[in-house]
Amino acid sequence: EVQLVESGGGLVKPGGSLRLSCAASGFTFSSYSMNWVRQAPGKGLEWVSSISSSSSYIYYADSVKGRFTISRDNAKNSLYLQMNSLRAEDTAVYYCARSPYYGDYVDYWGQGTLVTVSS
Amino acid sequence: DIVMTQTPLSLSVTPGQPASISCKSSQSLLHSDGKTYLYWYLQKPGQSPQLLIYEVSSRFSGVPDRFSGSGSGTDFTLKISRVEAEDVGVYYCMQGIHLPPTFGQGTKVEIK
Repeated sequence: EVQLVESGGGLVKPGGSLRLSCAASGFTFSSYSMNWVRQAPGKGLEWVSSISSSSSYIYYADSVKGRFTISRDNAKNSLYLQMNSLRAEDTAVYYCARSPYYGDYVDYWGQGTLVTVSS
Repeated sequence: DIVMTQTPLSLSVTPGQPASISCKSSQSLLHSDGKTYLYWYLQKPGQSPQLLIYEVSSRFSGVPDRFSGSGSGTDFTLKISRVEAEDVGVYYCMQGIHLPPTFGQGTKVEIK
């Protein structure tokens, strides 16, 4: 069974930093592209960042470029999102999501972790 | 970015009755490889989204056959042949032909 478990969310002040993690199991992690997708409270879905299976290709939404860094450790079956210079508009549930191919659709989602940016 | 527009934004359906959601994209989702990169997701209350339909009309593993997708180019439709109580939630269409993948605003389906 595919499982994606996010952690690392919480309350942070504007300008602060947070690192999200996603632990993957139930599939060959190194064969899949991975993504972060977020959902602001009561709002729709926004694609944040993608990373290919070998980390050769990386994408960032314009809204987070230069502030967020996606990475993965295939030996640890883990995906990460380092978030710096956080803003109130970054407040959202962040989902770890698997894609069969880089830039492709999501077939499995984690349960999400809430990031709240507030003073 | 490709803009995805869903209608209606909300739907109230009697159990056992059909439901239909439309999704229009600002650009064609037909790729030169012959595939059309349009997907449908359902986000049930308090849950993460789940994949229902990929490449316009293929049902994902475990998705009941009362769900069907159709369309081409820029116009797409998700149909539920007979709505059940467990189908409540927000339905999103998504394009995957160009980065970033973009979602429609969502259609909230409720049971009468």
